[in-house]
Amino acid sequence: AQSVAQPEDQVNVAEGNPLTVKCTYSVSGNPYLFWYVQYPNRGLQFLLKYITGDNLVKGSYGFEAEFNKSQTSFHLKKPSALVSDSALYFCAVRDTVGNTPLVFGKGTRLSVIA
Amino acid sequence: EAGVTQFPSHSVIEKGQTVTLRCDPISGHDNLYWYRRVMGKEIKFLLHFVKESKQDESGMPNNRFLAERTGGTYSTLKVQPAELEDSGVYFCASSHSGILQPQHFGDGTRLSIL
Repeated sequence: AQSVAQPEDQVNVAEGNPLTVKCTYSVSGNPYLFWYVQYPNRGLQFLLKYITGDNLVKGSYGFEAEFNKSQTSFHLKKPSALVSDSALYFCAVRDTVGNTPLVFGKGTRLSVIA
Repeated sequence: EAGVTQFPSHSVIEKGQTVTLRCDPISGHDNLYWYRRVMGKEIKFLLHFVKESKQDESGMPNNRFLAERTGGTYSTLKVQPAELEDSGVYFCASSHSGILQPQHFGDGTRLSIL
């Protein structure tokens, strides 16, 4: 069975500082990993995905994520946080290349303080 | 292109009543998914359509939930009769077929059962 853990319900960071939102996963096969962001009263927006290859994946809005197979982690990062990055972030996984459903974590609320 | 649209954005009904949620996927997307997020918990998969066929409905909680996708275009999710535990945000997502195509989400329907 697949699962995703986002250990932090809330992350606070000052504007301009680097941010990290943590995600660990468990799958039986190869992991295919995704990050989505949800702004208030909106749906989930796709940020980036890891399929294979480079462990550092770059996505939208300056975000990137680092895949670490030995630690089964896929942490989301940004070198310099903006107030507009404040939102709810979801990590998701699936273990097939097909169009199977995503398994999501509980979400982490990011607050960037000016 | 227009995104995934969901209607209504918010529905408040009494226990025992019936509610129907609608999702219009992105034009040309064969895959359509329904997910649900109960307050503060993970986003959980409900079911997956490929065109008009139910590919996977393993996440449907019980037989009070009925999903249809007549003609392979828009989809409806009916809850009859609604119970208190059905409250949450119902998301619809769609994607092209193909390897690891990202799912595009609608803004969700917030369902409140009183």
